[in-house]
Amino acid sequence: EIVLTQSPGTLSLSPGERVTVSCRASQSVGANYLAWYQQKPGQAPRLLIYGASSRATGIPDRFSGSGSGTDFTLTISRLEPEDFAVYFCQQYGTSPLTFGGGTKVEIK
Amino acid sequence: EAHLVESGGGLVQPGGSLRLSCAASGFSFNTNVMNWVRQAPGKGLEWVSSIVPNGGTTYYADSVKGRFTISRDNSKNTLSLQMNSLRAEDTAVYYCTKKAQDYCSVIPCFDFWGQGALVAVSS
Repeated sequence: EIVLTQSPGTLSLSPGERVTVSCRASQSVGANYLAWYQQKPGQAPRLLIYGASSRATGIPDRFSGSGSGTDFTLTISRLEPEDFAVYFCQQYGTSPLTFGGGTKVEIK
Repeated sequence: EAHLVESGGGLVQPGGSLRLSCAASGFSFNTNVMNWVRQAPGKGLEWVSSIVPNGGTTYYADSVKGRFTISRDNSKNTLSLQMNSLRAEDTAVYYCTKKAQDYCSVIPCFDFWGQGALVAVSS
């Protein structure tokens, strides 16, 4: 199965700062089928990005995804207070689908 | 908008059984792939199982194959997960999820999630 490794594990940032989260796959993700989710404490995950770079319905444009093959990035251009959360990547190009271990974005 | 509500979680002894249910509303349940994804306390996400719209084909993670059974009742808009021979490592919040039909490949990604049902396996 494809192992997804996210880095860093935790980011301590202030509102207004730029966020970059990395997701590296152990083998190439087919057709760049890579999604990103946001999860706040006590809540279910929310789909942010699919197909590596397409925003899901209703997701603000400060969220963007990029990358291909084995290296993918989630970027938040300017952190809002509601963006402090854990972010997960998921690949759906090869069965079984797998998730990364998560990156926590916390308030500095 | 889709709405998913899980029920049936609880504390069970190792080797025991539990059945989770998910009530779906707000979308055409009988045309959507449905899934279970779990999250152990303080850990990441793990896909558990998927079922196609007519219930004719099911898929399982190796970690639960032979112990868990996914099913659906399209007349009641309900998804179920029968969990047998439970182990401590099955302890997790179990999420009912809907495949994002417009976004994913044959393999799912998920656009709607329930709030989760906690399953604790302990003696």
